[in-house]
Amino acid sequence: SQQGEEDPQALSIQEGENATMNCSYKTSINNLQWYRQNSGRGLVHLILIRSNEREKHSGRLRVTLDTSKKSSSLLITASRAADTASYFCATASLYNQGGKLIFGQGTELSVKP
Amino acid sequence: EAGVVQSPRYKIIEKKQPVAFWCNPISGHNTLYWYRQNLGQGPELLIRYENEEAVDDSQLPKDRFSAERLKGVDSTLKIQPAELGDSAVYLCASSSHGGLENIQYFGAGTRLSVL
Repeated sequence: SQQGEEDPQALSIQEGENATMNCSYKTSINNLQWYRQNSGRGLVHLILIRSNEREKHSGRLRVTLDTSKKSSSLLITASRAADTASYFCATASLYNQGGKLIFGQGTELSVKP
Repeated sequence: EAGVVQSPRYKIIEKKQPVAFWCNPISGHNTLYWYRQNLGQGPELLIRYENEEAVDDSQLPKDRFSAERLKGVDSTLKIQPAELGDSAVYLCASSSHGGLENIQYFGAGTRLSVL
């Protein structure tokens, strides 16, 4: 079962534009993580935000978390063609056997040069 | 530092045949995960190991799937017999610990096609 639902399922933008992806989840969480997956590759961890945090930055990435709405967003600023990938949110919860991550279905981002 | 290594990268078999996947996690990582990823979906956990012990195998179809992690390092995942619906990418991941804030490192996966 997948807890996260991501929106949009696919996003196409021009290089230099910002990309925003949203993730909604169903149960209380301890933290939420974002991962990137390039075509034919494994997932790469991007950022982790704890349930008591509202916003976090890492380079060109900005993540927000709204636990009252059970939602998170990932913003990639000044996108590059190399950002083309699928992006997944994953939640960790005490109610899901400790360290088990439950992944959303992902947003496929295409950045055109 | 070497990442998570999986082999083979691709496997094509006929239904009812057995198949095995191998994973070598990052050195020192105690926790190992096997996921299945269907096309256009996120990974779904099949089994999680803490050292040699399988601590979560609730999503593993035990009638045909088996896994082992000998000496708490390498792991193999086996399907016998394979069915058409098993076609997917099988991902292995590892983390230094299995706690709530574990960050997982993924291998490139094995793409299985069952004909």
